[in-house]
Amino acid sequence: DAGVIQSPRHEVTEMGQEVTLRCKPISGHNSLFWYRQTMMRGLELLIYFNNNVPIDDSGMPEDRFSAKMPNASFSTLKIQPSEPRDSAVYFCASSLVTTGVGTQYFGPGTRLLVL
Amino acid sequence: DQQVKQNSPSLSVQEGRISILNCDYTNSMFDYFLWYKKYPAEGPTFLISISSIKDKNEDGRFTVFLNKSAKHLSLHIVPSQPGDSAVYFCAAKVAGYAGKSTFGDGTTLTVKP
Repeated sequence: DAGVIQSPRHEVTEMGQEVTLRCKPISGHNSLFWYRQTMMRGLELLIYFNNNVPIDDSGMPEDRFSAKMPNASFSTLKIQPSEPRDSAVYFCASSLVTTGVGTQYFGPGTRLLVL
Repeated sequence: DQQVKQNSPSLSVQEGRISILNCDYTNSMFDYFLWYKKYPAEGPTFLISISSIKDKNEDGRFTVFLNKSAKHLSLHIVPSQPGDSAVYFCAAKVAGYAGKSTFGDGTTLTVKP
């Protein structure tokens, strides 16, 4: 398996522009997580899905952020409009949730810079 | 309220010595604890875990100890190698919640040759 795939790997945009980050989870996994990593706030959970349904979006910073999971093999995180403070590394992770440890498998991340 | 805390932002050890990374938690409902390792420009990768019903789990050079009464866990790396230099995240999860884990802020380990 190729692991969790994220695109783009790097994104540079100007303030006010729309940004869309994409994620393909590991085939067969039933949970998907979006994280943001910054120096100030560490690794923050933004939202997670189970069986394509959003379970908890309490970590989404504000209405400018939205996430979708239209099917089991694809998810997007959209920021509209983007602001400089959104600059961070965004990680997607997936997991096969059973009754066990629920290890998460992370993608390589998207490094976002908003100018 | 930060439920998982790693109070040491960084740790430096000599190659061949033991590295001990610490983690404290507040939620007694956590049933699994995990350690992830992260290299620059990569996503975190799973390293080792421990169930709340155990007090020790060992995998090669890596051992995790859990002290439930103190709500404390630690990761021991023996012997430490330069390739172990990375950021280590402690994470904890409660049964259910679709596999959601709560992460600490991470500890940067540097192993000097």
